[in-house]
Amino acid sequence: NAGVTQTPKFQVLKTGQSMTLQCAQDMNHNSMYWYRQDPGMGLRLIYYSASEGTTDKGEVPNGYNVSRLNKREFSLRLESAAPSQTSVYFCASSYRGFYEQYFGPGTRLTVT
Amino acid sequence: GQQVMQIPQYQHVQEGEDFTTYCNSSTTLSNIQWYKQRPGGHPVFLIQLVKSGEVKKQKRLTFQFGEAKKNSSLHITATQTTDVGTYFCGSGAGSYQLTFGKGTKLSVIP
Repeated sequence: NAGVTQTPKFQVLKTGQSMTLQCAQDMNHNSMYWYRQDPGMGLRLIYYSASEGTTDKGEVPNGYNVSRLNKREFSLRLESAAPSQTSVYFCASSYRGFYEQYFGPGTRLTVT
Repeated sequence: GQQVMQIPQYQHVQEGEDFTTYCNSSTTLSNIQWYKQRPGGHPVFLIQLVKSGEVKKQKRLTFQFGEAKKNSSLHITATQTTDVGTYFCGSGAGSYQLTFGKGTKLSVIP
């Protein structure tokens, strides 16, 4: 039982490049989330998926897209990376909304 | 989500001293969740409070939800070096959008 896994762990991009962050959970959770964490800013929700087949914007969705590929997998795509997207990205899952969230180990992304 | 303010932003304590972090809102909160993030790690769920005036304990940690459901606190008795990390509160409006406070970073001086 791996919980929530994320790939890659680290990534360096140049401005304008694109990439997809992968997230998978093996807890049969319905809901999945993408957060970014910046120093002094706490955790901010980018997008979430309440259940398979649905996605919704969070607090800071601009510059990102998501895909809920199936119940296990939820990916985050940066189409044209910008230095302002330098951050640590966490994926999380929960049985459903209002339940505790389980976080992955994070992806540390630097955009130069 | 519901806006929550967390104080203090930083706290340095001597090992063995107590520590408290507070989570405040101007509106009534549906629930409060508390998470701990060790340096370089990911947030780990500690507890959820839902009822007005609720108090829960986990060993040296005591969690409280205010009577008006507008504030919450996490108190650690006799801190240890293993308590080092950032403590976050988060609240949702019974929805999926959990809004987190900015966290309190705890340093413990041995």
